Amino acid sequence: DIQMTQSPSSLAASVGDRVTITCRASQSISRSLNWVQQKPGKVPKVLIHAASLLQSGVPSRFSGSGSGTDFTLTITSLQPEDFATYYCQQSYSTPLTFGGGTKVEI
Amino acid sequence: QVQLQQSGPGLVKPSETLSLTCSVSGGSITGRTFYWDWIRQSPGKGLEWIGSISYTGTTYDTPSLRGRVTISVDSSKNQFSLKVTSVTAADTAVYYCARRTEIVVVVDATQGTYNWFDSWGQGTLVTVSS
Repeated sequence: DIQMTQSPSSLAASVGDRVTITCRASQSISRSLNWVQQKPGKVPKVLIHAASLLQSGVPSRFSGSGSGTDFTLTITSLQPEDFATYYCQQSYSTPLTFGGGTKVEI
Repeated sequence: QVQLQQSGPGLVKPSETLSLTCSVSGGSITGRTFYWDWIRQSPGKGLEWIGSISYTGTTYDTPSLRGRVTISVDSSKNQFSLKVTSVTAADTAVYYCARRTEIVVVVDATQGTYNWFDSWGQGTLVTVSS
């Protein structure tokens, strides 16, 4: 199985801050990396697929980069609605696996 | 806009079988670019992929649940289902169905095939308890 390791596991930030979350895969996954946002009690939703492609309807303050084993999710100018948990997820091979999550708190 | 609606019991007794159904509206379940997946989330924990079924009927599952999971499709009803046998308290979780789209994408002038979860069901909390 491909292990996905996210860091940090949590962070505190303020509205307007730039936030960076990293994800590392245990083996190369090319660009087969998605970022998923989950707010408390809500259904997860994809923000970015193929490492850097913004899902339709997602604000442009979200961006993704990376390939191979190292990936980054960046939120420029954090908004109140962005406080949530973020997961990376590899889609390179089954079993599909998620990172442990990064909780972004105020 | 595809929508996924989950149904099934929220309480299952230990050693029995958990059964959930996901009804798909706004699109065909037989579409060639789609996989139909199940994901779960234990209370306070992260997301865990359970398995999926393709439009050809091929199934994929996670090794940790192998032998206990069955995923099937009923194309006549445009729905797919999950069964998990011999459940224990460790199977208590919110279960989600999801559609995973797989298409060819050009990124940085390079073509590749990528897939991602683009639609989710509302989630069903299944508690395993006597």
